Amino acid sequence: GQQLNQSPQSMFIQEGEDVSMNCTSSSIFNTWLWYKQDPGEGPVLLIALYKAGELTSNGRLTAQFGITRKDSFLNISASIPSDVGIYFCAGRYSGGSNYKLTFGKGTLLTVNP
Amino acid sequence: DVKVTQSSRYLVKRTGEKVFLECVQDMDHENMFWYRQDPGLGLRLIYFSYDVKMKEKGDIPEGYSVSREKKERFSLILESASTNQTSMYLCASSSGAGGRRTDTQYFGPGTRLTVL
Repeated sequence: GQQLNQSPQSMFIQEGEDVSMNCTSSSIFNTWLWYKQDPGEGPVLLIALYKAGELTSNGRLTAQFGITRKDSFLNISASIPSDVGIYFCAGRYSGGSNYKLTFGKGTLLTVNP
Repeated sequence: DVKVTQSSRYLVKRTGEKVFLECVQDMDHENMFWYRQDPGLGLRLIYFSYDVKMKEKGDIPEGYSVSREKKERFSLILESASTNQTSMYLCASSSGAGGRRTDTQYFGPGTRLTVL
């Protein structure tokens, strides 16, 4: 099946620093989604991207749909302790069914106060 | 806001028991999904439903069945629970309006199931 490579696997940063993570695929994707998951909770949708080149912000978060349609990145500016959690990318590749998403394995973010 | 709720946050069952996990969404979404999430394996799709009484197998349907009698409710059934079904179970829903909005799935809080 399709695979998404998400990196880095984990990050340790100081409060106030900016963070960047990305997902890449060998296939073209039609949709990119970014989720955050807190321990013991379900993933919460942060940003949805639907067009190549699209750049979307949600507060301190910014995500972009890569122009090649094979990658996406998520930036977090001026991190705070509550940004701690696992960030997942997900997407639907262009040859896939209308319903099925492919998920990255996640980036574990730790923010030191 | 989209709201997806799951009937239990934590559940402990014995091997061989029949287990029901319930999911309800309040956004009139056509599509509903059940995933399990395990360390190192990520999210894996068990079953999904694109309409009332309609269902399709996901990647790991063995040992599970589903029921969708009403649009807002999607149930996951473990006919005879086994220890290897200990996991975090996540329900999700998405609009059937067509286009790429269909891709955007909203998740519930999860049910942590332990089978002893």
